[in-house]
Amino acid sequence: DGGITQSPKYLFRKEGQNVTLSCEQNLNHDAMYWYRQDPGQGLRLIYYSQIVNDFQKGDIAEGYSVSREKKESFPLTVTSAQKNPTAFYLCATATGFPNEKLFFGSGTQLSVL
Amino acid sequence: AQKVTQAQTEISVVEKEDVTLDCVYETRDTTYYLFWYKQPPSGELVFLIRRNSFDEQNEISGRYSWNFQKSTSSFNFTITASQVVDSAVYFCALIIVGREIIFGKGTRLHILP
Repeated sequence: DGGITQSPKYLFRKEGQNVTLSCEQNLNHDAMYWYRQDPGQGLRLIYYSQIVNDFQKGDIAEGYSVSREKKESFPLTVTSAQKNPTAFYLCATATGFPNEKLFFGSGTQLSVL
Repeated sequence: AQKVTQAQTEISVVEKEDVTLDCVYETRDTTYYLFWYKQPPSGELVFLIRRNSFDEQNEISGRYSWNFQKSTSSFNFTITASQVVDSAVYFCALIIVGREIIFGKGTRLHILP
């Protein structure tokens, strides 16, 4: 089936540890996005990528890093510099020009031990 | 600057009542898309509707209807004869062609039995 797969569904991070959230898609979409959602809050853009080997910072990129080596994959690393990482993370893709529809993964809940 | 405002943080209505969720957007671009998404407790965002900036025709889909008015930069969403299963967080989003996607902060809708 075509879609977006986020893993793991739940993730725990220890102090000072980097963790990586996976996002894989087989929809052949160029654009991919990472959003953070805090309880009772809206979606805030962390990073986005419109094409392989290129990505741009969103509104809250500090403490996060991404890579886009393959069209299908857009992993997000939450680094130790992110002091408040507990949140629900959503990955999304968009159809090609003109980015007319967003598809979302099922999300990863990250918590700090 | 682009912006999406969902002024209603939380709404509670009794089942079978009609309810309207407001969305006001700001952009100077003439070509853009507006979306509504539903986020049930499971967390995954579900696509409801897309409307482009050149199509102001209102749309009805079952109990759902959308009113797009460029004159007031609004894209409101009405649920008629609400049901408990409509309880969720609803997001309005603005997409500028070829650029990032801006979400409102969401409206949490409670349908009381």
